[in-house]
Amino acid sequence: DVKVTQSSRYLVKRTGEKVFLECVQDMDHENMFWYRQDPGLGLRLIYFSYDVKMKEKGDIPEGYSVSREKKERFSLILESASTNQTSMYLCASGGSVNTEAFFGQGTRLTVV
Amino acid sequence: AQSVTQLGSHVSVSEGALVLLRCNYSSSVPPYLFWYVQYPNQGLQLLLKYTTGATLVKGINGFEAEFKKSETSFHLTKPSAHMSDAAEYFCAVSDGQGTGTASKLTFGTGTRLQVTL
Repeated sequence: DVKVTQSSRYLVKRTGEKVFLECVQDMDHENMFWYRQDPGLGLRLIYFSYDVKMKEKGDIPEGYSVSREKKERFSLILESASTNQTSMYLCASGGSVNTEAFFGQGTRLTVV
Repeated sequence: AQSVTQLGSHVSVSEGALVLLRCNYSSSVPPYLFWYVQYPNQGLQLLLKYTTGATLVKGINGFEAEFKKSETSFHLTKPSAHMSDAAEYFCAVSDGQGTGTASKLTFGTGTRLQVTL
């Protein structure tokens, strides 16, 4: 089975902190994605990566950055956390043309 | 640009009743369509997908969906609801366009299914 593992299930951070969300996949997928999920808005794509060190902005990249130094690992970085970044963050891998993406269990981030 | 509309943010059915969750999409090219399910405090799990070929697609847990190009729809059905089906369901579309091999998904806003006794 494909496994996508996010490093934390729950996080509480203070406004202004730099926050790292980590995601690891074990299926040698080229593509990895970060989404945020908010009630009534569904999932929105923040960033994705289609190869090591390659990244592309999604629909809502403002306030975020990403890093992909190794194929299996994709990190989401909140440079200076703000309360409006309180959300559920979902990492996914796979998602090539006409194939599905596999999701991690999510990280619920609260910024206070 | 692609988009997905899920009609009804909440749907309630009795156990044993038909489940119908609606999804309409917009895409400038032939789409790839997906249904995902999310149980409380979990990630998303694929239920089924349509890429090409047969328009009636069968998935896990007794769910199926039919791609109707003329109606731009991909509604999800299950003949008989079970308590364990209570979850949130997301429809997603991909137009196959992307960078490298990546194909971006656009999700609907989700439908929460409640199953009552």
